[in-house]
Amino acid sequence: DAKTTQPNSMESNEEEPVHLPCNHSTISGTDYIHWYRQLPSQGPEYVIHGLTSNVNNRMASLAIAEDRKSSTLILHRATLRDAAVYYCIPGWGNTPLVFGKGTRLSVIA
Amino acid sequence: GAGVSQSPSNKVTEKGKDVELRCDPISGHTALYWYRQSLGQGLEFLIYFQGNSAPDKSGLPSDRFSAERTGGSVSTLTIQRTQQEDSAVYLCASSPVWGGSGNYEQYFGPGTRLTVT
Repeated sequence: DAKTTQPNSMESNEEEPVHLPCNHSTISGTDYIHWYRQLPSQGPEYVIHGLTSNVNNRMASLAIAEDRKSSTLILHRATLRDAAVYYCIPGWGNTPLVFGKGTRLSVIA
Repeated sequence: GAGVSQSPSNKVTEKGKDVELRCDPISGHTALYWYRQSLGQGLEFLIYFQGNSAPDKSGLPSDRFSAERTGGSVSTLTIQRTQQEDSAVYLCASSPVWGGSGNYEQYFGPGTRLTVT
């Protein structure tokens, strides 16, 4: 499994963009990069995933470095509901996920 | 539509007793996963099912833990002779497809909080 490095915590002001980085320098060529988040007292929820190209969906954008050794999850306008632990997980989505410690995002009103 | 459901939501049991935790995946999802989350260990994989078979049981922490899935749907995680270190939130997830090409997100249930006293 590819090892990931994420900041332990980050803070953002409400309605500001947030860039959550992840380093996955040992990622294999076929691994996707998944992002999940876990809101307080809930199970994790899928946010986005990508392979090589940048991806956008209604929740977020994913920017993937050209060498695929790092990626950044972008929340365009943070809301209080986005306060959660964000996990970056290389691998296949339909095999067991290996969760690291993630980044705890705090959003300040 | 209905998501993944788990029952009970909370379970308090005495050390040494057996417990059963239930997971109802999203209808039609062939893959089912069990994870647990404890304060000291974070989120860890336990076991997963493709249909009714379990190709990977490597995450089960001891032989006191077992799981089964019947009819390609409901799964039960059983912990025998519970210990205090089994206290955790047990999470179930399902996804539409297992194996092959493609990439599918996992949908998680709300979890069962197990407390062993």
